[in-house]
Amino acid sequence: AQTVTQSQPEMSVQEAETVTLSCTYDTSESDYYLFWYKQPPSRQMILVIRQEAYKQQNATENRFSVNFQKAAKSFSLKISDSQLGDAAMYFCAYRIAGGTSYGKLTFGQGTILTVHP
Amino acid sequence: DTAVSQTPKYLVTQMGNDKSIKCEQNLGHDTMYWYKQDSKKFLKIMFSYNNKELIINETVPNRFSPKSPDKAHLNLHINSLELGDSAVYFCASSLGQVILISGNTIYFGEGSWLTVV
Repeated sequence: AQTVTQSQPEMSVQEAETVTLSCTYDTSESDYYLFWYKQPPSRQMILVIRQEAYKQQNATENRFSVNFQKAAKSFSLKISDSQLGDAAMYFCAYRIAGGTSYGKLTFGQGTILTVHP
Repeated sequence: DTAVSQTPKYLVTQMGNDKSIKCEQNLGHDTMYWYKQDSKKFLKIMFSYNNKELIINETVPNRFSPKSPDKAHLNLHINSLELGDSAVYFCASSLGQVILISGNTIYFGEGSWLTVV
């Protein structure tokens, strides 16, 4: 069974600084996707960034980038130039490509990010 | 023009009652899901439907019955509500099983906060 682990229950960062959130996962599959979702106090689940396992290049979306280490099964999220609006709970998630469980997202426990002005 | 919309957003009800949560998506997706987020913020899939057909049923009690009248709608009916059913229920949607096509990103609704008293 696939598992996703976020070992940092809480993180904090000063506005304009950089912070990295950690995520590790366990799978025996070779084709899969990894995601970071943001959940602000409004509870909306917002996709931040996506990584395809077959791609060696790390995904980037503006101030958000990932460090994807497939052999180590590690998928960390780096937020540069942190803004107050980045404060939220961040979830790492895994999804197999294809098969009968293709729609199933497996989530980590979440990391609460606080941004200090 | 919300992509995935759920109603109601908040629901407080007594133990033993029966309630429904409705979900609609206007993204043209053919796959819809129900996820449950418990009091510890842990997110877990409950059901997924593809073209009105049940694909995933993650050992959810029989009191929970999803219904998909068409591929744009997936409703969740809960019978004989229990205190432990209190949670936030998220509806979500995506394109169906096409291997390696843009990660088939799953889009979430805003959640329905159910409180059983």
